[in-house]
Amino acid sequence: QQQVKQSPQSLIVQKGGISIINCAYENTAFDYFPWYQQFPGKGPALLIAIRPDVSEKKEGRFTISFNKSAKQFSLHIMDSQPGDSATYFCAASRKSGNQFYFGTGTSLTVIP
Amino acid sequence: GAGVSQTPSNKVTEKGKYVELRCDPISGHTALYWYRQSLGQGPEFLIYFQGTGAADDSGLPNDRFFAVRPEGSVSTLKIQRTERGDSAVYLCASADPGQGINTQYFGPGTRLTVL
Repeated sequence: QQQVKQSPQSLIVQKGGISIINCAYENTAFDYFPWYQQFPGKGPALLIAIRPDVSEKKEGRFTISFNKSAKQFSLHIMDSQPGDSATYFCAASRKSGNQFYFGTGTSLTVIP
Repeated sequence: GAGVSQTPSNKVTEKGKYVELRCDPISGHTALYWYRQSLGQGPEFLIYFQGTGAADDSGLPNDRFFAVRPEGSVSTLKIQRTERGDSAVYLCASADPGQGINTQYFGPGTRLTVL
């Protein structure tokens, strides 16, 4: 079954707006939550990641919000730009594990 | 420095044939992963190497899939008797566990099409 559930499947945002992508998980053993950005024909590239000991992490225009009790985390892209148009994947992994469990992806389109 | 590279970038084969996909990890990365990404889906774990040994192969779908990493660097994913359902992008990632964080760096992938 899907270990990490991601929504929405697609998102259209006006330039300058805020893009929000949500993920939820069930396995409380997960302790590392990265977000990856993927452009067509390319492999996923790490964007930002968080561990469950903090509720928020910000890097430039990208922020992860983490709610441990709800087992949810989200990516916020502030001041969205057309160059941000890509597919975004959330993922989760266990400290003792080695594989990432990926969400199904969100196709983001930022219109000028 | 150089990232993860994968060859070929595209592979078209016929049903029943054998294929090999190659991954060159980032120099010095001891951990190597193979994932499979179907259209419109997230990457799905296949196998993980730490050094030369397969530490976790629980994601390999069946015994037609096999991977090796004989010298702890380059890895080859081998698929026997290919089926149309094997068509996907095969991604390789590498990581340096010594950094203390589980950051995986992905290659561009090999797009496999089985006719």
